[in-house]
Amino acid sequence: AQTVTQSQPEMSVQEAETVTLSCTYDTSESDYYLFWYKQPPSRQMILVIRQEAYKQQNATENRFSVNFQKAAKSFSLKISDSQLGDAAMYFCAYRSANSGYALNFGKGTSLLVTP
Amino acid sequence: GAVVSQHPSWVICKSGTSVKIECRSLDFQATTMFWYRQFPKQSLMLMATSNEGSKATYEQGVEKDKFLINHASLTLSTLTVTSAHPEDSSFYICSARASGGPVAPLHFGNGTRLTVT
Repeated sequence: AQTVTQSQPEMSVQEAETVTLSCTYDTSESDYYLFWYKQPPSRQMILVIRQEAYKQQNATENRFSVNFQKAAKSFSLKISDSQLGDAAMYFCAYRSANSGYALNFGKGTSLLVTP
Repeated sequence: GAVVSQHPSWVICKSGTSVKIECRSLDFQATTMFWYRQFPKQSLMLMATSNEGSKATYEQGVEKDKFLINHASLTLSTLTVTSAHPEDSSFYICSARASGGPVAPLHFGNGTRLTVT
């Protein structure tokens, strides 16, 4: 079974600054997908960004970008120009490309954004 | 965008009673639906995967007789917590996937907070 590890239970960033959230995963598969989800206090799961394992280019969505290191099985999320609305729980997730298609989540990182 | 409606948003029930939670895909057909459980300040743990018209596949450690899942149509899956006990109190989230292989995104409901007294 694949495991997803987020080693930072909590992170803090000042508004307008940049923060990086870490994620590593363990898998024997070569084809898979990686995601970052945001869960604000409303508990709604919001997709932030996704990366296909077969793509070497790192995904980018506006202020959000990832550093995908396939050999190291690392998938970090960088948030640039942090905003107060970015405060939330962030979950890294793994999804097999072969079967099931369920998301396997890490334990999450709570991001605090200070003014 | 695709919308998944989950109902109720919150429910309080007495110990020993059963509670049904509905998950509906409003504007797409959900080939597969997933049910997750989330304890306070913890991650989402996959409980089961359900495909329309077939029995759900439960994750290890999840009691299938306690958490009954029915996926009777391409737009509706239900989770019934039978003979609920206080330890079943949790946040339950469903997600739905349209056809399209692994590329098809998952869409999440808003979750249901269950409190068993």
